[in-house]
Amino acid sequence: DAGITQSPRHKVTETGTPVTLRCHQTENHRYMYWYRQDPGHGLRLIHYSYGVKDTDKGEVSDGYSVSRSKTEDFLLTLESATSSQTSVYFCAISDNTGRGTEAFFGQGTRLTVV
Amino acid sequence: KNEVEQSPQNLTAQEGEFITINCSYSVGISALHWLQQHPGGGIVSLFMLSSGKKKHGRLIATINIQEKHSSLHITASHPRDSAVYICAVTGTASKLTFGTGTRLQVTL
Repeated sequence: DAGITQSPRHKVTETGTPVTLRCHQTENHRYMYWYRQDPGHGLRLIHYSYGVKDTDKGEVSDGYSVSRSKTEDFLLTLESATSSQTSVYFCAISDNTGRGTEAFFGQGTRLTVV
Repeated sequence: KNEVEQSPQNLTAQEGEFITINCSYSVGISALHWLQQHPGGGIVSLFMLSSGKKKHGRLIATINIQEKHSSLHITASHPRDSAVYICAVTGTASKLTFGTGTRLQVTL
């Protein structure tokens, strides 16, 4: 299995509290992504990173911030969680390798904001 | 218009049927991925394609770069194939863009 793990896998939090989700990889891939998955919307990009300290916004970035201080970790932070951020969050990694453009996916984090 | 379009959105088939799921994209890509997600489960990569055709068991994936189109075929479908199938492309900056998925239900 590809070396990508998300933590926590499940979290329930109260409206207004800060939440940080972690994505950790051991593949040394350059690109890391955070997506959210909601019924009827599929997977939507929140933020992505193309290197250490290099990040950019996706299509649904409002209310989220990210940080990547080292290659292997990409953190997603909800500064003040809202009920609309209840979702399943997936991390993904990708890079061009000798085998082509590889992409791997985390197992997802189910976040409930009450 | 989404950069990646899939059809159909929902598909019901009887066990043993041949299934085709289509994916069209509108951007330049370096690779196209077919992914599978079972209910409540994680996302599993089935294929990565940059040209031609790949086969793995009962699954076949094809891509036509000129027409910006890919298909995923399942031969002799089985209830355990019931899942959401997602097409994704890696474009500029290797950024992944997903289609909205095709929900497949295979009945006995």
